[in-house]
Amino acid sequence: NAGVTQTPKFRVLKTGQSMTLLCAQDMNHEYMYWYRQDPGMGLRLIHYSVGEGTTAKGEVPDGYNVSRLKKQNFLLGLESAAPSQTSVYFCASSYFGTPDTQYFGPGTRLTVL
Amino acid sequence: KNEVEQSPQNLTAQEGEFITINCSYSVGISALHWLQQHPGGGIVSLFMLSSGKKKHGRLIATINIQEKHSSLHITASHPRDSAVYICAVGEGNTPLVFGKGTRLSVIA
Repeated sequence: NAGVTQTPKFRVLKTGQSMTLLCAQDMNHEYMYWYRQDPGMGLRLIHYSVGEGTTAKGEVPDGYNVSRLKKQNFLLGLESAAPSQTSVYFCASSYFGTPDTQYFGPGTRLTVL
Repeated sequence: KNEVEQSPQNLTAQEGEFITINCSYSVGISALHWLQQHPGGGIVSLFMLSSGKKKHGRLIATINIQEKHSSLHITASHPRDSAVYICAVGEGNTPLVFGKGTRLSVIA
């Protein structure tokens, strides 16, 4: 099993450009999450999904959109990137919700110039 | 929203020392997680607790529900334990809230 994979691993964008981050899991997990990690701050939840076709906002959803068209994939989109979105993005998945172990992807380091 | 505080923020220890990292939270929870973030950035789950104590190798995690407090202990610490240790809590099935992490350096 590959576990949780993220594509790409690194990306540099200019302000105003758009991009999509892909998260894929092969563990048949229902729950998937997108987090961002910034220096001096804990992981913060952007959006999450409790199953195929569902999405919900987390703590910091502004400027991001997500889609979960297939159970194994969770996409995070930035429509018009801003320097404030420079961060490391982690995807995670779990079979159940809070009372279950989350498995994390390796992260995507995004820089917006 | 639950507030999660970890202490200390940074910790340096000599190899072989017994290490304790603390986590306090403000609102009753259904689950508390301890995670480890390696220097390369990868994050792995160490424990999930709802009560009592769990042990895995040299790692021990305890939780006191009444005091809203958890501790992560590392016995016989080793340089490979150097990492950031993160506490996260959740109520019911709401998403986890994460602490800022404790950066541990173990020196040989």
